[in-house]
Amino acid sequence: AQSVTQLGSHVSVSEGALVLLRCNYSSSVPPYLFWYVQYPNQGLQLLLKYTSAATLVKGINGFEAEFKKSETSFHLTKPSAHMSDAAEYFCAVSDPNTNAGKSTFGDGTTLTVKP
Amino acid sequence: EAGVAQSPRYKIIEKRQSVAFWCNPISGHATLYWYQQILGQGPKLLIQFQNNGVVDDSQLPKDRFSAERLKGVDSTLKIQPAKLEDSAVYLCASSLRGWNEQFFGPGTRLTVL
Repeated sequence: AQSVTQLGSHVSVSEGALVLLRCNYSSSVPPYLFWYVQYPNQGLQLLLKYTSAATLVKGINGFEAEFKKSETSFHLTKPSAHMSDAAEYFCAVSDPNTNAGKSTFGDGTTLTVKP
Repeated sequence: EAGVAQSPRYKIIEKRQSVAFWCNPISGHATLYWYQQILGQGPKLLIQFQNNGVVDDSQLPKDRFSAERLKGVDSTLKIQPAKLEDSAVYLCASSLRGWNEQFFGPGTRLTVL
């Protein structure tokens, strides 16, 4: 079975500050990992993904995440927050070993950016 | 490339009524998902199709929810009869294969009164 834990349901940062959103996963096989962003009244949009290549993954809008197997973590970071980054962020894990691998989502972290 | 289309975007019904949602995935995507997203929670998988076969429906309340994917393309999700606790956003997503990144539609916000 696989699961995702996002520590901190709400994170607030000042504009220009570092963004750090935490994600820990549990999986019985080497996983694929994803970060998605959801803006109000919209569906989820992929930010970045880890698919067993480079452990440091760069995504859209200046976000990046590092896969740390020893810590079973895939934290999302951005050096400098922008007002437009305010949204809800979801971490997800999937099993690449089956053609119809199931994805499991965390409960999300709401990011607030203060001026 | 056209994205995942869903309709309607909003629906308000009374409890015990029925409702249906429609989803058109990205062309060529074999896998289609329906999720329920309750306010403040992450998407919860209701059903996953691979082409027109069901891969996972373990969390689908089968006494009231049903879904089909005709000819491995469009899909409909139905609730009959609706309960108050069904109020949520219903998201449809598609992917090339099950473990790939998923592309989400805008969702349908259902309110059950």
